Amino acid sequence: AQSVTQLGSHVSVSEGALVLLRCNYSSSVPPYLFWYVQYPNQGLQLLLKYTSAATLVKGINGFEAEFKKSETSFHLTKPSAHMSDAAEYFCAVSARSDYKLSFGAGTTVTVRA
Amino acid sequence: NAGVTQTPKFQVLKTGQSMTLQCAQDMNHEYMSWYRQDPGMGLRLIHYSVGAGITDQGEVPNGYNVSRSTTEDFPLRLLSAAPSQTSVYFCASSSTLLASGNSYEQYFGPGTRLTVT
Repeated sequence: AQSVTQLGSHVSVSEGALVLLRCNYSSSVPPYLFWYVQYPNQGLQLLLKYTSAATLVKGINGFEAEFKKSETSFHLTKPSAHMSDAAEYFCAVSARSDYKLSFGAGTTVTVRA
Repeated sequence: NAGVTQTPKFQVLKTGQSMTLQCAQDMNHEYMSWYRQDPGMGLRLIHYSVGAGITDQGEVPNGYNVSRSTTEDFPLRLLSAAPSQTSVYFCASSSTLLASGNSYEQYFGPGTRLTVT
């Protein structure tokens, strides 16, 4: 079974500072990995996904994530935070043989002016 | 394409009442699923379907029923609502065809916020 751990339920950053959101997964084989963003009172939007091609994955809105098999991690970064990045972020994993997603508990990002 | 649509957006029920949350998608996706979102718990899978006539239980299926008579629709039924079912419910869909770069990416609806008193 797949599982995901997101370290830190809340992250506060200054505008222009680095955003780093941590995600570790548990899987017996390399899975598919996803980061989703949820703005207040909205559904989930895919930021980026890892499908076993490049280990450094670029997504929308300037976000990227690096798949590190040795560390079973898929941390999300953005070099310079904008006020519009304030949202909740979810890491999710699925087995390659399955369609079901397992989500982390989420990390809420606030951006200080 | 409307994508994944859900109705209603908001609903208040009394304990013991029943209701159906509607979900529809126009992307011809085979896979559809229902999640509930509770603070600090992420999204948890309730039920899912890999095609018309096929459904299966997820992580938290108790108190919920589903059916899949068409590819487009996947309604979620609460048989006898309980306060523990107060949550935000999301429907999602995905193609099951592993085309290049597909990776079973799921598309989410806008959610239904349900309160049970």
